[in-house]
Amino acid sequence: LAKTTQPISMDSYEGQEVNITCSHNNIATNDYITWYQQFPSQGPRFIIQGYKTKVTNEVASLFIPADRKSSTLSLPRVSLSDTAVYYCLVVQRGSSNTGKLIFGQGTTLQVKP
Amino acid sequence: GAVVSQHPSRVICKSGTSVKIECRSLDFQATTMFWYRQFPKQSLMLMATSNEGSKATYEQGVEKDKFLINHASLTLSTLTVTSAHPEDSSFYICSARESVSYEQYFGPGTRLTVT
Repeated sequence: LAKTTQPISMDSYEGQEVNITCSHNNIATNDYITWYQQFPSQGPRFIIQGYKTKVTNEVASLFIPADRKSSTLSLPRVSLSDTAVYYCLVVQRGSSNTGKLIFGQGTTLQVKP
Repeated sequence: GAVVSQHPSRVICKSGTSVKIECRSLDFQATTMFWYRQFPKQSLMLMATSNEGSKATYEQGVEKDKFLINHASLTLSTLTVTSAHPEDSSFYICSARESVSYEQYFGPGTRLTVT
């Protein structure tokens, strides 16, 4: 399982766009990049998943360059309720996937008014 | 959407007693479930993989005799912390992997406090 590296913490203000970058230099061909959000005393919540280029859903965008050695989670116009820990994971897809998710340290995002 | 529940949401027990935590997939079948532990200000640490109808697989350093896992049905896995000690106080989170899509969903967590 590829190891991920992301900043320990980030600060932002309400209404700003936040970009959190994750490095995964050893990502394998079958691996997908997945981001989770976790609030205190809650289980992680799936945000977005992608394989290459760009993926967008109603809450975030995920940018993945051609070499796939990094990815950037983009949160548009954050609000105070986006204050949470964000985890970047590399996940093997398909039936061969053991399902194990190895969480790194995550990025603590603090959104200020 | 797929929902995973945990019961209880929080529990306080005395040192030396055992406590059972349930993890249920409410609207899907999960051949595989996972148990994590999270200490304050730390990340989630995978403890074990629970497979329906077979023995659980424990991660290195996790005592299988202390953390008993039973996955008796496709919708229920239980984690029993035996002879609990204060150092076992933690936030325990389960996840369930949907049998067909392999998508994984997390439960809300259980806060265990051992006094």
